Amino acid sequence: KAGVTQTPRYLIKTRGQQVTLSCSPISGHRSVSWYQQTPGQGLQFLFEYFSETQRNKGNFPGRFSGRQFSNSRSEMNVSTLELGDSALYLCASSLVPGTGYEQYFGPGTRLTVT
Amino acid sequence: DAKTTQPNSMESNEEEPVHLPCNHSTISGTDYIHWYRQLPSQGPEYVIHGLTSNVNNRMASLAIAEDRKSSTLILHRATLRDAAVYYCIRALANFGNEKLTFGTGTRLTIIP
Repeated sequence: KAGVTQTPRYLIKTRGQQVTLSCSPISGHRSVSWYQQTPGQGLQFLFEYFSETQRNKGNFPGRFSGRQFSNSRSEMNVSTLELGDSALYLCASSLVPGTGYEQYFGPGTRLTVT
Repeated sequence: DAKTTQPNSMESNEEEPVHLPCNHSTISGTDYIHWYRQLPSQGPEYVIHGLTSNVNNRMASLAIAEDRKSSTLILHRATLRDAAVYYCIRALANFGNEKLTFGTGTRLTIIP
């Protein structure tokens, strides 16, 4: 069974631009979560989607948004990029929501904002 | 605070058991305890999780204290491939706020 895939793997953007990252969960998994990882803040939860609905959101500004499609694939968008948005963005999928289930992470998208 | 307390780093000899401790003194009755590990340049990898009873799988064992305020991840026979940052996570279970809150983790070094 294929794992979680994320595209693109690397991205360089300029301040003020916007970016869209894509995540394809493991087949059959319906819940997708997004995390941001930086050296200073570590791994931080962004949001979770299930059945095309955002169930849960972390403490990030409104510039960070996401969506989920009917095939469970998910995208996240960051508008008006800031230098501090440079990070590894990780997507994780699980069968269903809830913390009783393990999450499977993708390799991440490395975003660099210049 | 949902974060857990772990030692910043630990070392272990190859082929010996490793016991990674974690303190989660503010855990509530329905919160799960998850362990993930992250190898360099990779996304986190699920290791094991549990609620109250000790758990075993092919990767590791999870020993949970009776009062659930601490737990220990046990790698039965460390290999060089086990060198990683190990995250102990108190997974909040209250509806609408279920999420994994990662702390700083324990960097495990395996000595050949």
